[in-house]
Amino acid sequence: EEQLLESGGGLVQPGGSLRLSCAASGFTFSSYAMTWVRQAPGKGLEWVSAISAGGGTTFYADSVKGRFTISRDNSKNTLNLQMNSLRVEDTALYYCARAYGSSWTPFENWGQGTLVTVSS
Amino acid sequence: DIVLTQSPDFQSVTPKEKVTVTCRASQSIGSSLHWYQQKPDQSPKLLIKYASQSISGVPSRFSGSGSGTDFTLTINSLEAEDAAAYYCHQSSSLPHTFGQGTKLEIK
Repeated sequence: EEQLLESGGGLVQPGGSLRLSCAASGFTFSSYAMTWVRQAPGKGLEWVSAISAGGGTTFYADSVKGRFTISRDNSKNTLNLQMNSLRVEDTALYYCARAYGSSWTPFENWGQGTLVTVSS
Repeated sequence: DIVLTQSPDFQSVTPKEKVTVTCRASQSIGSSLHWYQQKPDQSPKLLIKYASQSISGVPSRFSGSGSGTDFTLTINSLEAEDAAAYYCHQSSSLPHTFGQGTKLEIK
């Protein structure tokens, strides 16, 4: 069974850092582009970042560009999101998602999310 | 950025009713429009891809239509389990964006 399991969330002060991970299983991880999408409490969905299957191409939302770095380790079937200079407005449930087929979108499979809370 | 505007924001509906949710894009996106369902305390689930293409395992009562700037998600004969928030998502250009969501309540 295909599974995506996020981890690494928690409470951090403004200006702090966190590293999120997403462990993939049940599919050929290295064949798929992957994405991070976040959802602030009680709000809608926001696309954050994406990475190609091989890891050589990355994209970021303007709201996180220069602060977040997406990466992947295909040997360990793991997707990462390094989050620096965190702001209160980064507070959200962060989902990792697998793309459909060989394209970047849509997002066919989602993890359960990991909660990031930025507060003093 | 392409803005997606969904309507309505909220709808209270009865079982077996036909429901229509619309999504309007701020510029033409072709057929690069996808629909997701998110039930309370669950992660989103892909319902429809590329405006009208069905997804394996999704009930046939869910269908999509449209192209360009105007899109529709239709739920025929609504069931109680369809109580959820529904989001449209465009992948025509970066950044990918989502609609604000439509919450369906079952009476």
